[in-house]
Amino acid sequence: DAGVTQSPTHLIKTRGQQVTLRCSPKSGHDTVSWYQQALGQGPQFIFQYYEEEERQRGNFPDRFSGHQFPNYSSELNVNALLLGDSALYLCASSLVGTDPYEQYFGPGTRLTVT
Amino acid sequence: SQQGEEDPQALSIQEGENATMNCSYKTSINNLQWYRQNSGRGLVHLILIRSNEREKHSGRLRVTLDTSKKSSSLLITASRAADTASYFCATDKIGAQKLVFGQGTRLTINP
Repeated sequence: DAGVTQSPTHLIKTRGQQVTLRCSPKSGHDTVSWYQQALGQGPQFIFQYYEEEERQRGNFPDRFSGHQFPNYSSELNVNALLLGDSALYLCASSLVGTDPYEQYFGPGTRLTVT
Repeated sequence: SQQGEEDPQALSIQEGENATMNCSYKTSINNLQWYRQNSGRGLVHLILIRSNEREKHSGRLRVTLDTSKKSSSLLITASRAADTASYFCATDKIGAQKLVFGQGTRLTINP
């Protein structure tokens, strides 16, 4: 039973560029959430996708966008990269309606913006 | 913004000692969970406690929850070098399937 996978592991981009990060959820899960974790901080919720739609969104600008595919995998896109976007980006999957609500996290993508 | 605050921010103890970390949150919650993170990698789920529970055990872990004080504590007994990691509490609300994390406690176990 494969867990949550993310690609790539590491990425280096230049200010102003665009980046796409990918996530495959745990088998049987239908919901994908994305989190940004700056160095030394806790993860912050970016948004969540279910049934190929953005269902919830945190306090992030429109430069952050996403997509969910019919196989439940997801992409996170960030446009016009800023130095402050350098962080570990974590993907988490879950099954909608479960109680208690548990999310399973992937290993993350380390994004460095220079 | 982060809802939770954890203290201490960093904790260093000797192997075999017990480690206690605390977490406070601001609004009403449905569940509170604790996660471990090794060296900036992904988060590993440790334990979940519901809002109507006061204490929960899992192996060497003990979690308490005081909803009147909006606080929780994580106790790791008989610590091992492998417990060295950052520990985060995370809360969720009824009807909102997202987690709100604290800033974490960096735990170092010295051999």
